[in-house]
Amino acid sequence: DVKVTQSSRYLVKRTGEKVFLECVQDMDHENMFWYRQDPGLGLRLIYFSYDVKMKEKGDIPEGYSVSREKKERFSLILESASTNQTSMYLCASSLAGGFTGELFFGEGSRLTVL
Amino acid sequence: AQKITQTQPGMFVQEKEAVTLDCTYDTSDPSYGLFWYKQPSSGEMIFLIYQGSYDQQNATEGRYSLNFQKARKSANLVISASQLGDSAMYFCVMKNWESGNQFYFGTGTSLTVIP
Repeated sequence: DVKVTQSSRYLVKRTGEKVFLECVQDMDHENMFWYRQDPGLGLRLIYFSYDVKMKEKGDIPEGYSVSREKKERFSLILESASTNQTSMYLCASSLAGGFTGELFFGEGSRLTVL
Repeated sequence: AQKITQTQPGMFVQEKEAVTLDCTYDTSDPSYGLFWYKQPSSGEMIFLIYQGSYDQQNATEGRYSLNFQKARKSANLVISASQLGDSAMYFCVMKNWESGNQFYFGTGTSLTVIP
């Protein structure tokens, strides 16, 4: 069964802490994505990666960084968490290019920053 | 600019009735795909159905069908015989050849099925 796995379903962190959100996929997909989801705003793209060590900024990259050292793993890093980063974070993967091939999502990570 | 519009923030439907969730899109690329996802309150995003721009027939998957009207640039999701478990957020998503790796999301429609 194909899968995207996010390391934590729920996290509570304090302002200023460094936060790592990990995502692993087992489908050998080239593309991986980090989205943030907030009520009324839908899903917003933070970063995506189309290959190992390659990344591109999405719509809201400020305050975030990413790392992709291996094809199957894509990490989202909050260098210094702030309360306005309290949100649901969704990782996804897909095959590269074209206009077919759906996104496969992880279960999401609900982050609360106090 | 690519755009997906879902104009219904919330919808209600009686159990066993059919419901249509609206989606319009905007792209100048002739090659594109449209996806619908369901997100229950638990948070996971579930892929429901796909329609390619060159597909001649409307896509169907069980109780889900996609009413694809290319000239109107609409891709409405039809759920037949609604069930209580259909209560969820529904997102319309587009991907096109130009964007290649990027997906464009609508803001979603919250569907509530009433017993």
